[in-house]
Amino acid sequence: NAGVTQTPKFQVLKTGQSMTLQCAQDMNHNSMYWYRQDPGMGLRLIYYSASEGTTDKGEVPNGYNVSRLNKREFSLRLESAAPSQTSVYFCASSERGQAVTQYFGPGTRLLVL
Amino acid sequence: GDSVTQMEGPVTLSEEAFLTINCTYTATGYPSLFWYVQYPGEGLQLLLKATKADDKGSNKGFEATYRKETTSFHLEKGSVQVSDSAVYFCALSVNTGGFKTIFGAGTRLFVKA
Repeated sequence: NAGVTQTPKFQVLKTGQSMTLQCAQDMNHNSMYWYRQDPGMGLRLIYYSASEGTTDKGEVPNGYNVSRLNKREFSLRLESAAPSQTSVYFCASSERGQAVTQYFGPGTRLLVL
Repeated sequence: GDSVTQMEGPVTLSEEAFLTINCTYTATGYPSLFWYVQYPGEGLQLLLKATKADDKGSNKGFEATYRKETTSFHLEKGSVQVSDSAVYFCALSVNTGGFKTIFGAGTRLFVKA
């Protein structure tokens, strides 16, 4: 099992460009998440999908959109990148429930110039 | 609102020293508590968890006890190794009409040989 995979690993964008971050999991999990990690701020939830066909905003959704393509895949799109979106982005998945473990991908490092 | 507060790092210790990383939380309802670890260049992975008061989570020599009276979940290890150098995140999960996980800011640990 590959677990949670993310592409690309690293990306440089210019302000105003768009891009899509891809995430896939092979653990048959219902729930998937997108986080951003910034120094001193821990992980902040951007969007999540509790189950296939549903998506909801997290703490910091502005400037992002998501698509839950199927049970395996959950993509994050930046329509018009801004320097404030420079960050490391993590995708995670889990079963539904309060005490469940989240499984994280290796991250995408994004630099917006 | 729900939140997690961790001691600021970095924490620098010599090999075989005793480790404590403090974590306190604020939550409505009755949360589950987690410690995740992030090694350099990787995503987060679960270290241990506890789901009810007085539960002790343990793994790889690390321990944490769910203390409801002090709303704390401090991480301890009796003898750290160089390989324990990483960033440690305390997190809670609550059911607020959907399951939400909140992460602390993370504490970086350096262990010197």
